[in-house]
Amino acid sequence: QKEVEQDPGPLSVPEGAIVSLNCTYSNSAFQYFMWYRQYSRKGPELLMYTYSSGNKEDGRFTAQVDKSSKYISLFIRDSQPSDSATYLCAMRNNFNKFYFGSGTKLNVKP
Amino acid sequence: NAGVMQNPRHLVRRRGQEARLRCSPMKGHSHVYWYRQLPEEGLKFMVYLQKENIIDESGMPKERFSAEFPKEGPSILRIQQVVRGDSAAYFCASLITGAGEAFFGQGTRLTVV
Repeated sequence: QKEVEQDPGPLSVPEGAIVSLNCTYSNSAFQYFMWYRQYSRKGPELLMYTYSSGNKEDGRFTAQVDKSSKYISLFIRDSQPSDSATYLCAMRNNFNKFYFGSGTKLNVKP
Repeated sequence: NAGVMQNPRHLVRRRGQEARLRCSPMKGHSHVYWYRQLPEEGLKFMVYLQKENIIDESGMPKERFSAEFPKEGPSILRIQQVVRGDSAAYFCASLITGAGEAFFGQGTRLTVV
């Protein structure tokens, strides 16, 4: 079993839709949770960072962490064509080791 | 505050040559990670370094690959005697002690011809 599971998609939605991206994980020791956005032929860009459980909102983006279910989510409201990219979830343990999901490819159609 | 800087952005090497990829972490960041990514695939961990120390190299191939992060200067990922299968994008990320999140550079795209 992989440490982090993420549906690769692709996920195709119309402009303005609410997008839900999810990851599950197996290691209860993870304390730090991140979402990265990666455009084609670019480096991953940090979108959201959450420590432990709870919600965090930044503009159109909301990150949720449910440690009891070992489940994290990223919601994108009022999605735009410019949101079309691959979204990577990531987790970190207390030994500074990162574990990445395989990425979900999102396409927002105008 | 400049981000993570990687150079060169593109590197072409003939089979059998050496490739040197450089990564300058963000200011104050003493942890560096190297990842490899093939087209349409996820990030594959290679090595985690702190200043002058290799902490975890469990993702590094045993032969031809090496990495260092000296006290002064950038981190270097070195690939000796490159083969076509080494063609990929190589990303580095840096982390500041005490923080949770890492920041990535724009990557070096290595092409072996």
